[in-house]
Amino acid sequence: SAVISQKPSRDICQRGTSLTIQCQVDSQVTMMFWYRQQPGQSLTLIATANQGSEATYESGFVIDKFPISRPNLTFSTLTVSNMSPEDSSIYLCSVGGSSGNTIYFGEGSWLTVV
Amino acid sequence: QKEVEQDPGPLSVPEGAIVSLNCTYSNSAFQYFMWYRQYSRKGPELLMYTYSSGNKEDGRFTAQVDKSSKYISLFIRDSQPSDSATYLCAMGSGANSKLTFGKGITLSVRP
Repeated sequence: SAVISQKPSRDICQRGTSLTIQCQVDSQVTMMFWYRQQPGQSLTLIATANQGSEATYESGFVIDKFPISRPNLTFSTLTVSNMSPEDSSIYLCSVGGSSGNTIYFGEGSWLTVV
Repeated sequence: QKEVEQDPGPLSVPEGAIVSLNCTYSNSAFQYFMWYRQYSRKGPELLMYTYSSGNKEDGRFTAQVDKSSKYISLFIRDSQPSDSATYLCAMGSGANSKLTFGKGITLSVRP
């Protein structure tokens, strides 16, 4: 399985500010995914980060709020913009396995917006 | 109806018990079925992966998929306190496809 590192692991943010989360993978992967896990809830896909093209966003998520970069095959960033308390969540980076049929997750970035 | 439904829990069992965790789904396109374990303040860890219908065993864990009934299960034999975690079922329809998750069930194994 891939080793996925996320930064920051946790942060407390002020309302109205933006925070960028970094995801580094120890091998080249075609697709990277960003998920959100709100308190007491399951995981919801925000977007798929494609190298060399725009990210593909799921219904309910927009680029202005969650801009994503994917400069190469081992790295991606997710920015949570103009944060409100409702954005307090765990944000998780994930990648597909070598077979393409399994998905592995990083440890997550725990954001609290005050 | 939600795409994936998972027994809500929480579930508390004594050490050594057999645990059965279940999910149902409505999307016939799902072909890949996974179980993740998530410890508190950690990311989800892939526990079991199954393609299409059938059983898969790995140590104390057995995953079952019944596509005709749209029902998947995870069995944990000889449960241990270290199995105490949240278990999430997840499903996908194709290679590198997005996953749809169940809400998760929190399991507590009492010593």
